[in-house]
Amino acid sequence: DVKVTQSSRYLVKRTGEKVFLECVQDMDHENMFWYRQDPGLGLRLIYFSYDVKMKEKGDIPEGYSVSREKKERFSLILESASTNQTSMYLCASSSFGAAGSTDTQYFGPGTRLTVL
Amino acid sequence: KQEVTQIPAALSVPEGENLVLNCSFTDSAIYNLQWFRQDPGKGLTSLLLIQSSQREQTSGRLNASLDKSSGRSTLYIAASQPGDSATYLCAVKVDNFNKFYFGSGTKLNVKP
Repeated sequence: DVKVTQSSRYLVKRTGEKVFLECVQDMDHENMFWYRQDPGLGLRLIYFSYDVKMKEKGDIPEGYSVSREKKERFSLILESASTNQTSMYLCASSSFGAAGSTDTQYFGPGTRLTVL
Repeated sequence: KQEVTQIPAALSVPEGENLVLNCSFTDSAIYNLQWFRQDPGKGLTSLLLIQSSQREQTSGRLNASLDKSSGRSTLYIAASQPGDSATYLCAVKVDNFNKFYFGSGTKLNVKP
């Protein structure tokens, strides 16, 4: 059974703190993604990675950075947390996904982050 | 930039009713379109995938259609059940890296 795990389900941090969100997948997938989900806005892509040590900005990368030192692990870093980063954060992974592929993204359960 | 819209944002129906959820996208240059289900406080699970060359896909009581030229997809749920209550999201794949653009979802409540 495929599995994507996230380090925390709920997290409460203070403004200005450095926050690490960890994601691990056990499917040997090349691609990994970080999204945030807010009511009425759907999922918005923050960053994605298509290989170890490779990263690409998504639609809303400001205030975030990522790290992928091993294929199975993708970390999202909030260098200095702010209240507008309170959100649900979802991690996903997928195989390469050439045209015609039926591969999908597999999601973790999410981390609900509250920044006070 | 691709934009994906889902209407309605919320829907409440009695058990047994057939229903249709709508998804529209602005750029027809997509690889495929997927429908996902999200239960409260959980991640997303893929329900159906339609390749850009296909018109529809079926899985059990679910049927998804795709009209790429008009930028529309529908998810038809037959004989709805309380267990179908969840948020349904559509997403379009736009490149080889399996990058998706998601709609904001339709929250479905099926009343017993």
